[in-house]
Amino acid sequence: GQQLNQSPQSMFIQEGEDVSMNCTSSSIFNTWLWYKQEPGEGPVLLIALYKAGELTSNGRLTAQFGITRKDSFLNISASIPSDVGIYFCAGLFTGGGNKLTFGTGTQLKVEL
Amino acid sequence: GAVVSQHPSWVICKSGTSVKIECRSLDFQATTMFWYRQFPKQSLMLMATSNEGSKATYEQGVEKDKFLINHASLTLSTLTVTSAHPEDSSFYICSALTLYQPQHFGDGTRLSIL
Repeated sequence: GQQLNQSPQSMFIQEGEDVSMNCTSSSIFNTWLWYKQEPGEGPVLLIALYKAGELTSNGRLTAQFGITRKDSFLNISASIPSDVGIYFCAGLFTGGGNKLTFGTGTQLKVEL
Repeated sequence: GAVVSQHPSWVICKSGTSVKIECRSLDFQATTMFWYRQFPKQSLMLMATSNEGSKATYEQGVEKDKFLINHASLTLSTLTVTSAHPEDSSFYICSALTLYQPQHFGDGTRLSIL
C-alpha cells in the first residue's frame, strides 16, 4: 500500500535540543495525524490537524498542516529522554473510507 | 477516554495452530475497527477494515481465508490467524474509530509461531 515519506529516518540528539521531522506525500490529505510508538506498544495519538495551514501545539510538541495539503511537520522543543520512540505521521483523505496512510516513521534517540 | 484494549499481548504457538486476537473499545462504541500488521523497524500496514455486522474489507494481498475477522458488536472485533506458520509471526495492532475522533490504537499483539 501507499506510504508517506517521512524524514529523517532516525535522529540521535542531545537532551534539551529541538527536533524537527516532516512528512510528504504526492497526494492531498484532508487530515494529518502524528502518533508516537514505543517498543512493544501501539501508536499513541499526539496531534491531529484538520485544516490546511493549521498550527497546533500539545505541550512541547507543535505540528503544522502544510498549505499544499501534501505535507506536515512536527517539532519537539527541549527534548527529554522520554521523547525516545518512533514518530509516525498519518494522512486521511475524504472518500478514503477513514483508512489511514502511514508514514515510514522517524526513530528518535535522545542522549543524556 | 477512547481506550482500546487488545488481548492477548503476546502469544507463542506451534506452526499449524490457529490464534485469535481480540480488540475491544472500552469506553465508546466503534463504528469501524481496523487491523494492522507491523514488521520490525517498519511502519504499520493496513490489513483490513471491519464494520459491525458486515463482512470485513481486506487490503490487496491480504488473504481473507488466512486472516478471519469477525466484528460481532460495536465494541468487539476479533482477528483469527488460521493455520499459522512462522512467516505469520508479526506484531498485530487494532484500532477503533468513532464519530469525530481519530483512530485510537490498541497496544498490539506480538505473535510468534514456532
